[in-house]
This record gives sequence, structure tokens and C-alpha cells, in this order.
Amino acid sequence: DTGVSQDPRHKITKRGQNVTFRCDPISEHNRLYWYRQTLGQGPEFLTYFQNEAQLEKSRLLSDRFSAERPKGSFSTLEIQRTEQGDSAMYLCASSGGGTRVDTQYFGPGTRLTVL
Amino acid sequence: AQKITQTQPGMFVQEKEAVTLDCTYDTSDPSYGLFWYKQPSSGEMIFLIYQGSYDQQNATEGRYSLNFQKARKSANLVISASQLGDSAMYFCAMRELGSGAGSYQLTFGKGTKLSVIP
Repeated sequence: DTGVSQDPRHKITKRGQNVTFRCDPISEHNRLYWYRQTLGQGPEFLTYFQNEAQLEKSRLLSDRFSAERPKGSFSTLEIQRTEQGDSAMYLCASSGGGTRVDTQYFGPGTRLTVL
Repeated sequence: AQKITQTQPGMFVQEKEAVTLDCTYDTSDPSYGLFWYKQPSSGEMIFLIYQGSYDQQNATEGRYSLNFQKARKSANLVISASQLGDSAMYFCAMRELGSGAGSYQLTFGKGTKLSVIP
């Protein structure tokens, strides 16, 4: 029984570079979410997919951020021209195993440091 | 306005004792769900317990129970018989269900850091 996985776990980059993160959801889940968590805060919603369709986007998701889920399985989150304010933990979650509650199960996160 | 408020930045509890972590919420949606997650230092968010706004009884999951007071808009987490492994950040979160499918996003509080003392 594999949970949500994310890769890489840690990423250090220089300001202005592009970075891409990957999330593999629980296999039977059709919904996938991205959240961002900064130090001392709870996670903040970024975006949500149902299968391959991106159905919700937060105002936090500036035009430097793009997320895809091309085949309705894994998802990627790309940040272009990174800024120091992008330093955070990026969390992926999935849900949709057919339960009424639709609990979101989270991966271990990718910690991004922008120098 | 904050939708989820956790007023306790940090809490200490003696091992084997019970502890209550506070959570109040704000919504005008009559249909919503409340979640508690645990985040150890490793970073992964672990789902603990869920309470629906129309659920008649307070939710329980093993040593976790939710003290749901709808009129006061509070959903406090009670951990019984604390263990050293319970030391972690705890987050309260809400999903507003609206009419129909509603929104799927979770809104989190700032969390409470629980430390269990041997």
C-alpha cells in the first residue's frame, strides 16, 4: 500500500532559476492537490486537479507557477524565475477513493530553498 | 478574516495524560467538514480525524476524539493517554462543502506544537 510520493524531497536553487517538482498520488485517487507551507504557518492551497482537469487555482498561484497532470496520474509543479519568497515546503495530496469524506492524504513534501 | 483559529502556539503534556488542542472556525456555509492533521518534524501531514457539520455524534479514532460544539464553532482535538510519539505540530483544517460538490480545498490554521514530557 503505497502513499503519496514526491520528488525531490529537497531542492536548493539560485534566484531566477526554474524548478519542477513531481507528485505521484495514491493509485486509485482521482483528485490531486498542491499546497505551499511556509515556516510557522499551516499549508495554503495552490491548486487542485480532478483527473487531468485543473478545476481550482488559488490567487497564490502567480503566472510564474504552472501545474499539470497530463494523464490524470502524476502531477508536476513548475516555478519559473524563482524568487527568495518562493522558499517553502510544497506539499502534494490526493483523495477520491470513493469515500464520502474524501479525506486528503499528503506526501512527504518538497522543501525548496531559493538562494 | 481567519477561517481557522488555533490559539495555542505550543502545549506541553505529561506522558500518559490527556490533552486538548483548541480550534475555532468561521464559516457561513451550513455544510462543512473539519479535519485534524499531525505533522511530525519529518514534514508529512498525517490525517487523524474528521467531523462533518451534520454528524450527530462527536468523531472518535482510537486515542483521538473531537469535541465538536457547533453553536460555538469549535472543534477541539482530545488526545488521550499521550505518548512520546505524539510530539508534533497539529493542524485543524476545514473544507466548505457548499451546495453541490462545493470546494475541495482545505483551509488550515497555524497549528499547535505539542510536546510530550516523559
